[in-house]
Amino acid sequence: GDSVTQTEGLVTLTEGLPVMLNCTYQTIYSNPFLFWYVQHLNESPRLLLKSFTDNKRTEHQGFHATLHKSSSSFHLQKSSAQLSDSALYYCAPLSGSFNKLTFGAGTRLAVCP
Amino acid sequence: EAAVTQSPRNKVTVTGGNVTLSCRQTNSHNYMYWYRQDTGHGLRLIHYSYGAGNLQIGDVPDGYKATRTTQEDFFLLLELASPSQTSLYFCASSGDWGSSYEQYFGPGTRLTVL
Repeated sequence: GDSVTQTEGLVTLTEGLPVMLNCTYQTIYSNPFLFWYVQHLNESPRLLLKSFTDNKRTEHQGFHATLHKSSSSFHLQKSSAQLSDSALYYCAPLSGSFNKLTFGAGTRLAVCP
Repeated sequence: EAAVTQSPRNKVTVTGGNVTLSCRQTNSHNYMYWYRQDTGHGLRLIHYSYGAGNLQIGDVPDGYKATRTTQEDFFLLLELASPSQTSLYFCASSGDWGSSYEQYFGPGTRLTVL
């Protein structure tokens, strides 16, 4: 079945530094759909950004990611971290049947002053 | 704005107890999902459904049953609760291509099994 590997555990950054959270995936589908979800403390996960198009940058709320089918990657980036970016981030490929998402263990981002 | 609600928000039960978690969506979505979230494991899919009466087994189904009574309502049943089922449970719904397959999550139910 589909699987996803993310940057493990906790990433700690100082405010203002760039953010890079890695995501690689495995899927049987030749045209994968990839999603990043964000979950702030005591909240539920919500969609951050998504991509269905190879080699096209997608952006939302200062974050961006580019789907690269050649390397099966969908890394999340931001040029300058903010305190409010502290959250749990999930990368997830769409599994074609029943629109399932395969979530990884998530990466926790902590941004410090 | 898509809406998914869950009840109860918190539940404490004892080992062997019977628990029902409820989820309702008003998004007119066909797909609904139950997840559990545990530190170190992320979100894991328990059961999911496409429409009333349809049920599909997820990745961690042991100890759980589910029932989809209407397009709006999806229930998760724990008939003999065990401490290993202590977790945060999320329900989600999604549409098809028109909604870009986005899943909308409810606020979660925190279940403690003593």
